[in-house]
Amino acid sequence: NAGVTQTPKFRILKIGQSMTLQCTQDMNHNYMYWYRQDPGMGLKLIYYSVGAGITDKGEVPNGYNVSRSTTEDFPLRLELAAPSQTSVYFCASSYSIGRTEAFFGQGTRLTVV
Amino acid sequence: DQQVKQNSPSLSVQEGRISILNCDYTNSMFDYFLWYKKYPAEGPTFLISISSIKDKNEDGRFTVFLNKSAKHLSLHIVPSQPGDSAVYFCAASANRGSSNTGKLIFGQGTTLQVKP
Repeated sequence: NAGVTQTPKFRILKIGQSMTLQCTQDMNHNYMYWYRQDPGMGLKLIYYSVGAGITDKGEVPNGYNVSRSTTEDFPLRLELAAPSQTSVYFCASSYSIGRTEAFFGQGTRLTVV
Repeated sequence: DQQVKQNSPSLSVQEGRISILNCDYTNSMFDYFLWYKKYPAEGPTFLISISSIKDKNEDGRFTVFLNKSAKHLSLHIVPSQPGDSAVYFCAASANRGSSNTGKLIFGQGTTLQVKP
């Protein structure tokens, strides 16, 4: 049972480039999330999804886009990378929302130069 | 606006002693609280949770205490072990009412070092 899998683990982008962070889960969870972790700042919610075809903004959505075409996959898109997007990104999933724990992937460390 | 705060960036304790990690929150609508543990280069893993209808929850060496009037929760680890050295995040969610979606709001984290 792989749980939540994120790819790539590391990436360096140049300013203005675009990329997609991949996330897939094999637990048949309806709820999926993208967080970013900046040093000393904890985890901030970027976007979340309550099921295939349904997404919504979190605390820090600017500069990002998401889609949810299947239950398993929840990719995060950066269209015009900026240095402020240098961070560690975590994808997570949960069986339900609220009053339950979320399961996290190992993270993607992104550097924008 | 930091709704969940962990004011101690780091904590160092001796092996075998008690570790106490603290967390404060400002949103009175939060009704479910969790603690996550994170090792370097790994994602956070769930440790223990507590509902607002309780004031204590215990799981082995880990106990979480909730003081709703003070909007404060704490995680006690007894006895502390070197393998407990990690970053600990508290998180909270609001699940009542149509405007509350149950999203997890995290604190900044506290780095615990347990010395042998």
